[in-house]
Amino acid sequence: ETGVTQSPTHLIKTRGQQVTLRCSSQSGHNTVSWYQQALGQGPQFIFQYYREEENGRGNFPPRFSGLQFPNYSSELNVNALELDDSALYLCASSSGTSPHEQYFGPGTRLTVT
Amino acid sequence: RKEVEQDPGPFNVPEGATVAFNCTYSNSASQSFFWYRQDCRKEPKLLMSVYSSGNEDGRFTAQLNRASQYISLLIRDSKLSDSATYLCVVKGAGNMLTFGGGTRLMVKP
Repeated sequence: ETGVTQSPTHLIKTRGQQVTLRCSSQSGHNTVSWYQQALGQGPQFIFQYYREEENGRGNFPPRFSGLQFPNYSSELNVNALELDDSALYLCASSSGTSPHEQYFGPGTRLTVT
Repeated sequence: RKEVEQDPGPFNVPEGATVAFNCTYSNSASQSFFWYRQDCRKEPKLLMSVYSSGNEDGRFTAQLNRASQYISLLIRDSKLSDSATYLCVVKGAGNMLTFGGGTRLMVKP
């Protein structure tokens, strides 16, 4: 096990609602990256947080936002949910801003109906 | 064109077979390269890094060709437990990992 935890494991939301996903990083890691993985595709980078600041963002709209807390845990918030937001959301923790290896949590499976 | 492209497969091989996966990437400034393994409904896990000189880890051999922007993974003596999706991953100058769509391997008895 990587020591990275995510909650909840599964979630069902309705289009237009808002959702918050949570991630606790591995002990000693100060960087959290979030990814979206649609069925049958590879993970796509959403953004990364380093020491509570956003430190890089992929091609996702502003309704995807995040936070990192002093203990380096992190939240991913998605507003105005769309059907295409249905996916597995993965967080990965690492040490430093240019990590050699990222350790993934088990993911949160979000279904938007 | 996708930044990292892989044949989605599936590759169906018998136990003991040798199988090779290929991956191409479009950004010539990419700096680091990896293969991750993802089991069904699980998170990706690092299988191995890929170095320019090529590297081997037991039954697994990875190769990088920077001129052709091409990465490969060779698995020898396939085991049933090797059945998974193999993700080619590229890291550029920034901090973002770019994943390919994955290649699915099924090893049959």
